Amino acid sequence: AQSVAQPEDQVNVAEGNPLTVKCTYSVSGNPYLFWYVQYPNRGLQFLLKYITGDNLVKGSYGFEAEFNKSQTSFHLKKPSALVSDSALYFCAVRSAHFNNAGNMLTFGGGTRLMVKP
Amino acid sequence: NAGVTQTPKFQVLKTGQSMTLQCAQDMNHEYMSWYRQDPGMGLRLIHYSVGAGITDQGEVPNGYNVSRSTTEDFPLRLLSAAPSQTSVYFCASSYGGGGGSSTDTQYFGPGTRLTVL
Repeated sequence: AQSVAQPEDQVNVAEGNPLTVKCTYSVSGNPYLFWYVQYPNRGLQFLLKYITGDNLVKGSYGFEAEFNKSQTSFHLKKPSALVSDSALYFCAVRSAHFNNAGNMLTFGGGTRLMVKP
Repeated sequence: NAGVTQTPKFQVLKTGQSMTLQCAQDMNHEYMSWYRQDPGMGLRLIHYSVGAGITDQGEVPNGYNVSRSTTEDFPLRLLSAAPSQTSVYFCASSYGGGGGSSTDTQYFGPGTRLTVL
């Protein structure tokens, strides 16, 4: 069974400082990893994903994430946080092995990012 | 394109009542899924479909039914609502389910907030 852990319920950071939102995963075989963001009363929006290749993935709104296979981690990062980055962030994983189970993603519990002016 | 649409946005039910949550997408996506979002638990997969006429159970299917008669629509039926089904429900779609291409990205609807009294 695949699983995702987001160890921090909330991350607080001052505007202009770097931010990191942590994610570790467990999956059989190679992983496909995703980050989604949810703003209040909205659906999830895709930020970025790792499929293969370069371990550093760049996504929307200046976010990036680093895939670390040995640590089974996929932490989300941004060099300089904005107040508008405040939202709920979800990490998700699925196995790279395609089967008839379709596009089944397993999500972490979410991390609330609070960026203060 | 309207993307993924969901109706209603809000619903209050009494225990034992039945209802259908509607989901539609206009992107000609083959894969559609229903998730429920509960605090601290992330998104959990209820049911999914890999194409018209094909559905399967996800992680938490009990108490819910789905059907997929067309590519565009994927309604979720609550047969006899229970307070444990109080949640926010999200529908998602994607073009493909494997191969790691950009088609793996899921697009989410805005959600339906359901309260069962």
